[in-house]
Amino acid sequence: DGGITQSPKYLFRKEGQNVTLSCEQNLNHDAMYWYRQDPGQGLRLIYYSQIVNDFQKGDIAEGYSVSREKKESFPLTVTSAQKNPTAFYLCASSTPGTSTDTQYFGPGTRLTVL
Amino acid sequence: RKEVEQDPGPFNVPEGATVAFNCTYSNSASQSFFWYRQDCRKEPKLLMSVYSSGNEDGRFTAQLNRASQYISLLIRDSKLSDSATYLCVVNERAGYSTLTFGKGTMLLVSP
Repeated sequence: DGGITQSPKYLFRKEGQNVTLSCEQNLNHDAMYWYRQDPGQGLRLIYYSQIVNDFQKGDIAEGYSVSREKKESFPLTVTSAQKNPTAFYLCASSTPGTSTDTQYFGPGTRLTVL
Repeated sequence: RKEVEQDPGPFNVPEGATVAFNCTYSNSASQSFFWYRQDCRKEPKLLMSVYSSGNEDGRFTAQLNRASQYISLLIRDSKLSDSATYLCVVNERAGYSTLTFGKGTMLLVSP
């Protein structure tokens, strides 16, 4: 069953803590992405990675970090430096350079800071 | 700042109605275009790509007007299950998939 998985589905964090959100895909996609969605807002790009061991900042990278050690995995760490981390976090993957370059999304993680 | 603009709605329509959503984008060099559907508290899912010649998928028709930088989605014979938020999405660079998302248009279909 091919797809993108994210865990956990819900995550609660105390202020000052770092947390890591998991994203795994078995679609053999080269590129992976992290977005944040706030109520009534469009998705905003946090980080993206086109290939293993390489990643780029998106529009709102401050307070976040990522790694891409394996093609299948692209974890996102929300650090204590992120001032307003409560949001819905979405991971996506795609194969750029194809005619459709469509992104497919995982089910998301809802992070709440207590 | 490159933007994608949509009417947030909600659009309230009865079952069986035809409804159209519009979207404008600011970057004239944009390369590819999509409509995604997002159900409440779920991830976005690709509804359809939008091609220059216009394209249809069942009850859904998408059109692109590059001169006016305008994308549309037409839904015919609305079903209750069409109730969702529809996201207009633009890719600004060919073969390099960083997407710009509109905030979405909410559709509510009532019995």
